[in-house]
Amino acid sequence: AQSVTQPDIHITVSEGASLELRCNYSYGATPYLFWYVQSPGQGLQLLLKYFSGDTLVQGIKGFEAEFKRSQSSFNLRKPSVHWSDAAEYFCAVALTGFQKLVFGTGTRLLVSP
Amino acid sequence: NAGVTQTPKFQVLKTGQSMTLQCAQDMNHEYMSWYRQDPGMGLRLIHYSVGAGITDQGEVPNGYNVSRSTTEDFPLRLLSAAPSQTSVYFCASISDGTEAFFGQGTRLTVV
Repeated sequence: AQSVTQPDIHITVSEGASLELRCNYSYGATPYLFWYVQSPGQGLQLLLKYFSGDTLVQGIKGFEAEFKRSQSSFNLRKPSVHWSDAAEYFCAVALTGFQKLVFGTGTRLLVSP
Repeated sequence: NAGVTQTPKFQVLKTGQSMTLQCAQDMNHEYMSWYRQDPGMGLRLIHYSVGAGITDQGEVPNGYNVSRSTTEDFPLRLLSAAPSQTSVYFCASISDGTEAFFGQGTRLTVV
């Protein structure tokens, strides 16, 4: 079955430290890959997306993600976390129709002073 | 530019009641979708539409109906609310560039 796995439910990072959020997908072909962020009580906002080409993609708010085909992974990174980055992060994939996104269960990021 | 507007923001229903969650977008997008978000389960697709007059089922369609009479509007109908439908509902409008724009959600409680 097609699936997206975010193995970390919660992650706590000190402000200024680096961040990596993990995402693994299970599909036969390379899907289209996305990372979304959700602040409390808000809808989701697109951080970045990967369709093809350079496997390292840059997004908004200083985030980047690297696609690794051999590991079926699309991990999200940020070199220095700010307190305002505290939110829930969702990895998502789409095989064909972009109106049919499949989401992971999310990782809640807590930022400590 | 309002983007995606969902109404209401909060709703409490009694079991068996019906209601319609409204979603409107002003970006002229053809693709629209409805998701529900439950703790520990991420977002799951309920129904989607690829244009006016065209809808299809997603992963969890039971108990929900949709229609798409105009490009702008994509209402979600709960026919007979059940406690299992307590959730946060998000409408999304998808651009040609494949970015999904989400509304702020409707928090529904069924008692």
